[in-house]
Amino acid sequence: DGGITQSPKYLFRKEGQNVTLSCEQNLNHDAMYWYRQDPGQGLRLIYYSQIVNDFQKGDIAEGYSVSREKKESFPLTVTSAQKNPTAFYLCASSIGLANTEAFFGQGTRLTVV
Amino acid sequence: QKEVEQNSGPLSVPEGAIASLNCTYSDRGSQSFFWYRQYSGKSPELIMSIYSNGDKEDGRFTAQLNKASQYVSLLIRDSQPSDSATYLCAVYTGGGADGLTFGKGTHLIIQP
Repeated sequence: DGGITQSPKYLFRKEGQNVTLSCEQNLNHDAMYWYRQDPGQGLRLIYYSQIVNDFQKGDIAEGYSVSREKKESFPLTVTSAQKNPTAFYLCASSIGLANTEAFFGQGTRLTVV
Repeated sequence: QKEVEQNSGPLSVPEGAIASLNCTYSDRGSQSFFWYRQYSGKSPELIMSIYSNGDKEDGRFTAQLNKASQYVSLLIRDSQPSDSATYLCAVYTGGGADGLTFGKGTHLIIQP
């Protein structure tokens, strides 16, 4: 089955710790995205990538980093510089950046303990 | 600043009735418009996309776009309890813009 897989589903982070969220897709999509969702809020774009080895900051990139070494993979690292990381993180992909439908993974719920 | 506005609700509709969800957007250059359904604790699921003025129908769902008024809506006919969810409106502006801009969503409740 084609789709987008995020792991883990739940993640707990201690203060000052970096954590990496995984996102893998087998849809052969060029574009991939990371969004953050807080309770009662819409999705806010963290980073996006149009092609391998290229990515751009979204609206709330501070405290996050990404890489795009393979077309299928777009991991997100939440660094200790992100002061309020508790949120629902969603990875998405689309055929291209423009005018195309984006499909989401099942999400990772990150909690700071 | 690109903005997408939705009434947060909750919007309560009797089973079998038509649910009407509305969305306005600020960037007149917006090109593509999407409706996602999100159940509590789950990720968004794409249910409709619309690119040109007018109506687009898919089963019980109809998306309506009016670019002059910067307005997009979603109609759900014969509403079912399983339609109870939060509906997110998303807009793509294009021209090198980054990804989709989402509204905060409308919480829809279908009353049996």
